[in-house]
Amino acid sequence: DAGVTQSPTHLIKTRGQQVTLRCSPISGHKSVSWYQQVLGQGPQFIFQYYEKEERGRGNFPDRFSARQFPNYSSELNVNALLLGDSALYLCASSLGGGPNTGELFFGEGSRLTVL
Amino acid sequence: GESVGLHLPTLSVQEGDNSIINCAYSNSASDYFIWYKQESGKGPQFIIDIRSNMDKRQGQRVTVLLNKTVKHLSLQIAATQPGDSAVYFCAEGQGGGADGLTFGKGTHLIIQP
Repeated sequence: DAGVTQSPTHLIKTRGQQVTLRCSPISGHKSVSWYQQVLGQGPQFIFQYYEKEERGRGNFPDRFSARQFPNYSSELNVNALLLGDSALYLCASSLGGGPNTGELFFGEGSRLTVL
Repeated sequence: GESVGLHLPTLSVQEGDNSIINCAYSNSASDYFIWYKQESGKGPQFIIDIRSNMDKRQGQRVTVLLNKTVKHLSLQIAATQPGDSAVYFCAEGQGGGADGLTFGKGTHLIIQP
């Protein structure tokens, strides 16, 4: 079975541009979370979606948005890119939410470089 | 704000020795704790978790200890192998699940031959 898949794996953008990152969860998983990992640091929580609804949001500006589709895949959008948005963006999926979240499975990430 | 942190950024151990990686957390509302392993170029991989109603949990070659009194978490790896080389993160959550986890900065475990 395929794990969490993310695309693209690497991309380069310039300041002010917009980017869309995509994630397909493990089959049967209904919850998708997004994390930002800056080099040398731990992942930081951005969003969680469960059954197509936003369940949680981290401390990120409104330039960051996300959505979950009926097939449980998800997109993360970042507008008006800044140099500081350069990071590895990780998607994670799980069976459910709350106490029933179960194990969180991470994808290999999308490496975004903003020039 | 409150966050999870680690005591040491790098830990070097001899192959075959036991490794202990420590983590301090400060959010008293956290009730779920997880250790992740991240190898270079890969996403974090689940190792073991523990809920706040427990103080010890064992897996295959790994043990997690939770001391709620001093808000301390540790990961013990027995008989460390070269494949254990990675960055290890502790993470904390509330509500008993892995929603919106807070990760520490990580400890780089280096295995010496």
